[in-house]
Amino acid sequence: QSALTQPASVSGSPGQSITISCTGTSSDVGNYNLVSWYQHHPGKAPKLLVYEVTKRPSGVSNRFSGSKSGNTASLTISGLQAEDEADYYCCSYAGSSTWVFGGGTQLTVL
Amino acid sequence: QLQLQESGPGLVKPSETLSLTCTVSGGSISSSSYYWGWIRQSPGKGLECIGTIYYSGNPYYNPSLKSRVTISIDTSKSQFSLKLTSVTAADTAVYYCTRYPTAIVAFDMWGQGTMVIVSS
Repeated sequence: QSALTQPASVSGSPGQSITISCTGTSSDVGNYNLVSWYQHHPGKAPKLLVYEVTKRPSGVSNRFSGSKSGNTASLTISGLQAEDEADYYCCSYAGSSTWVFGGGTQLTVL
Repeated sequence: QLQLQESGPGLVKPSETLSLTCTVSGGSISSSSYYWGWIRQSPGKGLECIGTIYYSGNPYYNPSLKSRVTISIDTSKSQFSLKLTSVTAADTAVYYCTRYPTAIVAFDMWGQGTMVIVSS
């Protein structure tokens, strides 16, 4: 069970859109539509942004959207805002009640 | 509003057992709609799911940690616990307790996290 692969960092200017990729294998991302994304401001509790690849929990801005193609999932943040600066993690169900996370992506809003 | 709060020693000696407890308030730990879990983040690294448990028991563990982990639940105290034996410096991490609804299979509620350092 290896960690999912995310870029270490991405950046964008306010108002722009960015996409964070999350690459797994046919045993996790490619096999289940159970990818979730989390926003983590250091020192705070992580926050669920997207679940089941594309769904947003109540209260999460529609600026956050998820997608998947094959073994790669993506999180797109549109209309970047300063408060979006945080770490972002993807997670996939990997069968037998196990999950695998990505290494995290640090988003910088320029 | 549901809250999860981790508690336990912040410093554990190598080869000893790390023990943490998560107290659930503002909601029922006995609901059949949720699993409860432990996730950790080692310094400079990503998140790692340690394991999960249902209100009735039946824990599931990360295969890489299975030989050293025990997760248990005490519904009468609205708590679930983590024990990790034979710890090393590699177990130094922020430990989070979490909830995942069976309906969405994602971790929708998290505690603030507690830092545990393994050092002599």
